[in-house]
Amino acid sequence: QKEVEQNSGPLSVPEGAIASLNCTYSDRGSQSFFWYRQYSGKSPELIMFIYSNGDKEDGRFTAQLNKASQYVSLLIRDSQPSDSATYLCAVKLTGGGNKLTFGTGTQLKVEL
Amino acid sequence: EAQVTQNPRYLITVTGKKLTVTCSQNMNHEYMSWYRQDPGLGLRQIYYSMNVEVTDKGDVPEGYKVSRKEKRNFPLILESPSPNQTSLYFCASSFAGSSEQFFGPGTRLTVL
Repeated sequence: QKEVEQNSGPLSVPEGAIASLNCTYSDRGSQSFFWYRQYSGKSPELIMFIYSNGDKEDGRFTAQLNKASQYVSLLIRDSQPSDSATYLCAVKLTGGGNKLTFGTGTQLKVEL
Repeated sequence: EAQVTQNPRYLITVTGKKLTVTCSQNMNHEYMSWYRQDPGLGLRQIYYSMNVEVTDKGDVPEGYKVSRKEKRNFPLILESPSPNQTSLYFCASSFAGSSEQFFGPGTRLTVL
């Protein structure tokens, strides 16, 4: 079992819809969770982080964390074509110090 | 402007010819890390450094060396590059105790 798993996609949503990106992790003791956005050929860009169970909202983005289910998700409301990118889930595993373990990413396509 | 810089951005070389990819950050971060990104494998950590003169292996350190003589710089050295080191490389940094990592623009390396 991979430590951090994401569906590779592509996930296609129409413009204006809600995009839901999911991530599961294997280390039950993990404390910190991050979502990065990566445009093709560019570097990952941090868009959200969440440490506590529940929802965290920032503009059109909402991160959701359920530690009991070892599940973290990212919702993007009112999806725009500019949101088309690969979204990387990253987890700070127990005892990992500053290290982040990344999923392989989900490709999101927002269609006109 | 707070940033992580890498040089060169693109490099084509031949097997066995030593090369160095530089990484520099101006945010006074203690933690620095090198990743490689390959299709289907995601971001994998090569080496990391918690501070000056403190470095350690990540998940895929074979064939790479690093040094941390100054806080701002963390060069990646390939003593004898091989074609399986063809990849997209990213340097990242963060404050100690924080996993909010900031990435450089990437270096696309091709080893013939």
